[in-house]
Amino acid sequence: QSVLTQPPSVSAAPGQNVTISCSGSSSNIAKNYVSWYQQLPGTAPKLLIHDNSKRPSGIPDRFSGSKSGASATLGITGLQTGDEADYYCGTWDSSLSAVVFGGGTKVTVL
Amino acid sequence: EVQLVESGGGLVQRGGSLRLSCAASGFTFSSYWMHWVRQAPGKGLVWVARIKSDGTYTSYADSVRGRFTISRDNAKDTVELQMNSLRVDDTAVYYCARVPVFGGLRVDLWGQGTMVTVSS
Repeated sequence: QSVLTQPPSVSAAPGQNVTISCSGSSSNIAKNYVSWYQQLPGTAPKLLIHDNSKRPSGIPDRFSGSKSGASATLGITGLQTGDEADYYCGTWDSSLSAVVFGGGTKVTVL
Repeated sequence: EVQLVESGGGLVQRGGSLRLSCAASGFTFSSYWMHWVRQAPGKGLVWVARIKSDGTYTSYADSVRGRFTISRDNAKDTVELQMNSLRVDDTAVYYCARVPVFGGLRVDLWGQGTMVTVSS
């Protein structure tokens, strides 16, 4: 049972847009920055979004992040087959004094 | 090249010990917090432990506190995870992870991971 809640899966056709939600609480998302990670099959995770909405160098602007209250959202526009991966949200939990992650969302391109 | 390379994983019996190592290169190691994150087969990411850039502070997930110890050597650019009293549910890929000091907590560099299997 993850501290942050994500949908297990989302799917869409190539070219379409998808959003992935990440729900937390007053002790984590509400008071700390959120990051998003992409994990392609058989590889290590990669930072996709940090500080709620900032993209590291090299991450295309098809990926976006936002936060409102105790929830965060990752958006992917113009879905591509290469976007098929697991996506995780993560942040600091001030009550647990621990890094917490969501359970992950598998994105499938139909 | 900026990278983290883990080693030391393997097969160990329940109750046994294992020491993981992570070698950093291509960046100023002593400027970063270092973390260990694990992923059980087919499961999600779980944070394990972290150590401050100068090694003076550490913290652990409840599930490993008292059994695992994180340490670092800034002269050798390495971080280690000593794992004792291993349990079957410690079986996972263990990732070494770099976290910048400033800004929100984020892992901006991951190692390739090392597999730890604990048998019963």
